[in-house]
Amino acid sequence: GAGVSQSPSNKVTEKGKDVELRCDPISGHTALYWYRQRLGQGLEFLIYFQGNSAPDKSGLPSDRFSAERTGESVSTLTIQRTQQEDSAVYLCASSFTGGSGYEQYFGPGTRLTVT
Amino acid sequence: QKEVEQDPGPLSVPEGAIVSLNCTYSNSAFQYFMWYRQYSRKGPELLMYTYSSGNKEDGRFTAQVDKSSKYISLFIRDSQPSDSATYLCAMSVLTGGGNKLTFGTGTQLKVEL
Repeated sequence: GAGVSQSPSNKVTEKGKDVELRCDPISGHTALYWYRQRLGQGLEFLIYFQGNSAPDKSGLPSDRFSAERTGESVSTLTIQRTQQEDSAVYLCASSFTGGSGYEQYFGPGTRLTVT
Repeated sequence: QKEVEQDPGPLSVPEGAIVSLNCTYSNSAFQYFMWYRQYSRKGPELLMYTYSSGNKEDGRFTAQVDKSSKYISLFIRDSQPSDSATYLCAMSVLTGGGNKLTFGTGTQLKVEL
């Protein structure tokens, strides 16, 4: 079946502009995660959504970052007033929760470059 | 100190070699351990996962967890050039719901002909 998809694949923006990144999870997956991967570094957790529960926002680095999810489908990550340190690959993952397993499957990522 | 430590490499081996990749961690609450493979400019691909100490084998790959030492390993037998990638260890606490993963920085592996 279809995997996790993300769009756009690449985004170049000027410092100070807002950007919106999109994630389509695997159908039926109740949990959705956003991670950030800076050059030469491991993945850094940002936020996760599970069903209708309040999202865990504990990884968001500043109030310029926000995310929404519509039900158990699409999610958007918004970065306002982008800074050069926001340049990274933004990865989305989805998973089942509970007894079906916890394995997270990743999308291809959105490569964000802030100039 | 990072919660998960992983040697970034690069690690270069000849084709057919046995590769050993390792991570150490400091959070004793971690219960769920995974290995991902990431090719250049691609998303991470889940290779193996385990919930318990001991070994788990899948084809040429063996994952090993030693909770008493807070040490996990991934072994690749008969390594192939197609195994050249960055290998990421990841782990989490099991909460019964979603589980945010803590990743190592990744080890870059090159398998040469």
